[in-house]
Amino acid sequence: DAGITQSPRHKVTETGTPVTLRCHQTENHRYMYWYRQDPGHGLRLIHYSYGVKDTDKGEVSDGYSVSRSKTEDFLLTLESATSSQTSVYFCAISDRLARETQYFGPGTRLLVL
Amino acid sequence: DQQVKQNSPSLSVQEGRISILNCDYTNSMFDYFLWYKKYPAEGPTFLISISSIKDKNEDGRFTVFLNKSAKHLSLHIVPSQPGDSAVYFCATYSGNTGKLIFGQGTTLQVKP
Repeated sequence: DAGITQSPRHKVTETGTPVTLRCHQTENHRYMYWYRQDPGHGLRLIHYSYGVKDTDKGEVSDGYSVSRSKTEDFLLTLESATSSQTSVYFCAISDRLARETQYFGPGTRLLVL
Repeated sequence: DQQVKQNSPSLSVQEGRISILNCDYTNSMFDYFLWYKKYPAEGPTFLISISSIKDKNEDGRFTVFLNKSAKHLSLHIVPSQPGDSAVYFCATYSGNTGKLIFGQGTTLQVKP
């Protein structure tokens, strides 16, 4: 298994509060991604990174921001959490030589009350 | 506008039989097609992929077929085992965008 960890694994928060999710990899892969999984939608890309300090938006980026200050860490921030952001969040990584194959972390289950 | 569709939300098969999971896509410019498997409370796990220049790829019990003219992808599992019970996602990859697009998933149940 690829060395990917996510923290926290579970979080309950209140509407309007900021939330930061962390993804940490030990594979030294260049590309990192944040997805959310919701029933009936599969996995949808939120943001991705193609290098340190290089990030771009995905399909459902509104309400989310990201940062990558080190190769191994990719942070996802919900500036002001809303109930519609209740979801399961997955981080993924891929190598520049086989970018099409992404490896996923264990996920973070977020509940916004 | 769903570019990748898995029209069957669920599938149930008997142990030892063949499981066939299907996926349709709309964009003919995709370069790779992938299948992921997901158990509850775990992240998706890469299963098998196929390049757009091929029509079949096999790995043990798993075979992926690509029909480009029909824009259709399928995953065959033979023989099916109870441990194969999971949610299966198909995904497409474009080298131009560098992104994966996932289908909605199909829940496979393999009965002993």
